[in-house]
Amino acid sequence: GAVVSQHPSRVICKSGTSVKIECRSLDFQATTMFWYRQFPKKSLMLMATSNEGSKATYEQGVEKDKFLINHASLTLSTLTVTSAHPEDSSFYICSAPPRGIPNYGYTFGSGTRLTVV
Amino acid sequence: SQQGEEDPQALSIQEGENATMNCSYKTSINNLQWYRQNSGRGLVHLILIRSNEREKHSGRLRVTLDTSKKSSSLLITASRAADTASYFCATAYMKSSGDKLTFGTGTRLAVRP
Repeated sequence: GAVVSQHPSRVICKSGTSVKIECRSLDFQATTMFWYRQFPKKSLMLMATSNEGSKATYEQGVEKDKFLINHASLTLSTLTVTSAHPEDSSFYICSAPPRGIPNYGYTFGSGTRLTVV
Repeated sequence: SQQGEEDPQALSIQEGENATMNCSYKTSINNLQWYRQNSGRGLVHLILIRSNEREKHSGRLRVTLDTSKKSSSLLITASRAADTASYFCATAYMKSSGDKLTFGTGTRLAVRP
């Protein structure tokens, strides 16, 4: 089945530094990748949609310059949290949509726990 | 916000009992999906029901969809301790930017051994 590998699973960084999160589709080509943010015991909020070869589409209220998204190839999408602050601490998850197979759900990465100190 | 609501927010049951979770949403949809999330992990797809379907089964899972009421329910029968997780409904609807998923608020299920 489809697998999305997300790294790192956990990262602690200092305020003001940048952190890159990678999501790779291992056995399929993902032309689109969705990036979500999740607060403790809360639901997933869509941040942006990355598209291979074009600019990402950001949801309302998401700072484009803070959350840089790049979809460099058909198997790699990255989210970079720039100049991180403690309020950016959260759980970030990527997801690839189904590959045209009926009744096939989206495939999610295992998530990245970001802690900014 | 397009986010749906789920109830209950939390549910605690004994192993062997059935668990029912409900989801309501706000817009027209192409399909509705249910996902499971273990603590601190990614989401796992459980089942998808299309807008023209009313009921679907998969193993111990039963999903219903009422598009007139914009609601869905997930029933887990004969629950096991390993079913302990958070469960989310997600609706897919067509937008100009592509088919996006919008998640409900989630139900935290605890199954006591």
